[in-house]
Amino acid sequence: DGGITQSPKYLFRKEGQNVTLSCEQNLNHDAMYWYRQDPGQGLRLIYYSQIVNDFQKGDIAEGYSVSREKKESFPLTVTSAQKNPTAFYLCASSLPTSSLPGANVLTFGAGSRLTVL
Amino acid sequence: GQQVMQIPQYQHVQEGEDFTTYCNSSTTLSNIQWYKQRPGGHPVFLIQLVKSGEVKKQKRLTFQFGEAKKNSSLHITATQTTDVGTYFCAEGENDYKLSFGAGTTVTVRA
Repeated sequence: DGGITQSPKYLFRKEGQNVTLSCEQNLNHDAMYWYRQDPGQGLRLIYYSQIVNDFQKGDIAEGYSVSREKKESFPLTVTSAQKNPTAFYLCASSLPTSSLPGANVLTFGAGSRLTVL
Repeated sequence: GQQVMQIPQYQHVQEGEDFTTYCNSSTTLSNIQWYKQRPGGHPVFLIQLVKSGEVKKQKRLTFQFGEAKKNSSLHITATQTTDVGTYFCAEGENDYKLSFGAGTTVTVRA
């Protein structure tokens, strides 16, 4: 079955440590995204990538880094510079854009819940 | 980016009753999407609205896009316990960047 796999599902980190969240998709989608979800704040975009070897900052990119070396993979690193990293992280993907509106319908993974101790 | 405001933030509904949740913007929206996130789950796409005044139905759910394309609504009839969750609207700023509202969290009293 096609889908998005995020790992780990739960992660605990000590302050000052970097952690990397994995996101893999087999939907053949070109675009991939990372969102952060905090209670009562909806989803906020961290980074997105339209194509391999290219990515753009979202609304809250500070303290995070990404890479897009393969179409299927879009890992997110939460660095020690992120001041409040405890959150639920969601990876998503979408079809390539087209002249039709709505090409950016998102398919989400199950999420990774990061807790900083 | 453009922002969408969702009201109410919380909706407590008696099973069998109807309710409506709203998504508002101060600017014209290119399109609006709705997602549902069950407790402990991840958002799942429900519908996309593109045209002014568009109305789409999915069983007991009715989605509407305003004539001015500045607001959208989701109306659920005969609420069931399976409707529990958080409903998000999202606005497509461009082909890649979606901006999500804060969501309406729905609880159902049996």
